Amino acid sequence: ETGVTQTPRHLVMGMTNKKSLKCEQHLGHNAMYWYKQSAKKPLELMFVYNFKEQTENNSVPSRFSPECPNSSHLFLHLHTLQPEDSALYLCASSQVSTAGNTIYFGEGSWLTVV
Amino acid sequence: SQQGEEDPQALSIQEGENATMNCSYKTSINNLQWYRQNSGRGLVHLILIRSNEREKHSGRLRVTLDTSKKSSSLLITASRAADTASYFCATDVDYGQNFVFGPGTRLSVLP
Repeated sequence: ETGVTQTPRHLVMGMTNKKSLKCEQHLGHNAMYWYKQSAKKPLELMFVYNFKEQTENNSVPSRFSPECPNSSHLFLHLHTLQPEDSALYLCASSQVSTAGNTIYFGEGSWLTVV
Repeated sequence: SQQGEEDPQALSIQEGENATMNCSYKTSINNLQWYRQNSGRGLVHLILIRSNEREKHSGRLRVTLDTSKKSSSLLITASRAADTASYFCATDVDYGQNFVFGPGTRLSVLP
């Protein structure tokens, strides 16, 4: 148990569906992240929220839409996805500081687009 | 290419042996971290080493950092079958704004 909870753990959706991934952190951190992990590719940073403000958007297609209503919750809204978007989506949080921070991951949400 | 790149890509050893994985990076860093990922699960933090540190230990783990060579190594001593996992290095280049992960090393420890 890392203190970062992701739901659902598994999701199968059609290309015309709209769904959302949810992440909640119980660590009192001030930054939250979405990463994408595809087979045979390194972890790709998608979005970073720092104090609820989006500070990083790594050229992610607009069919992925993040939402951070407060510092403990992070959503990833999905719509009109493509089969190549099938991957493990990992949420993470950290306490950003100059002292050096550790990033804590959730267990991930396995997404399959059919 | 990636900021962090692990070497080797895959490593297979017998239980009880030591496993060494290397990570190279390209830009200046604030710290470097190592993570473990069991198949299909989230990443688990193992150890953080700051840019002004050269070596750190945690249990059976030893991490070294050579900033002049922009490289780090992770040594797992007396490996166990439960150590079978993928291991990733991550560089913190912007105080948490951007952690850059390498492609990982797949370690298999055979009983």
